[in-house]
Amino acid sequence: DARVTQTPRDKVTEMGQEVTMRCQPILGHNTVFWYRQTMMQGLELLAYFRNRAPLDDSGMPKDRFSAEMPDATLATLKIQPSEPRDSAVYFCASGLGGGGADGYTFGSGTRLTVV
Amino acid sequence: ILNVEQSPQSLHVQEGDSTNFTCSFPSSNFYALHWYRWETAKSPEALFVMTLNGDEKKKGRISATLNTKEGYSYLYIKGSQPEDSATYLCAFTVATYNTDKLIFGTGTRLQVFP
Repeated sequence: DARVTQTPRDKVTEMGQEVTMRCQPILGHNTVFWYRQTMMQGLELLAYFRNRAPLDDSGMPKDRFSAEMPDATLATLKIQPSEPRDSAVYFCASGLGGGGADGYTFGSGTRLTVV
Repeated sequence: ILNVEQSPQSLHVQEGDSTNFTCSFPSSNFYALHWYRWETAKSPEALFVMTLNGDEKKKGRISATLNTKEGYSYLYIKGSQPEDSATYLCAFTVATYNTDKLIFGTGTRLQVFP
């Protein structure tokens, strides 16, 4: 089965450090999302890309978060500097654009703990 | 503000019971409605994607219906089993250039007791 690969699986870091999370979408998928799992809001959309171009990052705190797709096989989400309130599980998902007729496939997530 | 409401927030049923949950979404500019199943410590898994008013989809004991005019979708589970225990998320997209943008509800947490 094709899968979305996220690394690292778990990350513990100290406040103020830079954190980079990586996502390898399914080959051929042209739409990539970054979501954050929160207690209050469930899945919070941070950013998404279509054909590597950022289409919406309105949900992302711009001062410390950045998302990029340097190529079609890699999406990154960076936090600099990290803060304890960033502690959450971050999911990447990919699919075919146009509303996702087959749904989107999620990765296993990166559990981030900022101490 | 685009909002997806799901109810109930949580549900506890006995094995063998049938159950259903509701997803409400803005009906204007509707494009697609997704249902996902999310088990604890795993990642969300796509169940259904529906686009047309009146759509009905089925996968085993789970089925879903869609009413785009009034802005709601129902998810039904017939004869619930303990392995159905999970959070069920719905999400919708709007008919703008951002047709991929999935807006999720907060989910219905289902617990099925043996």
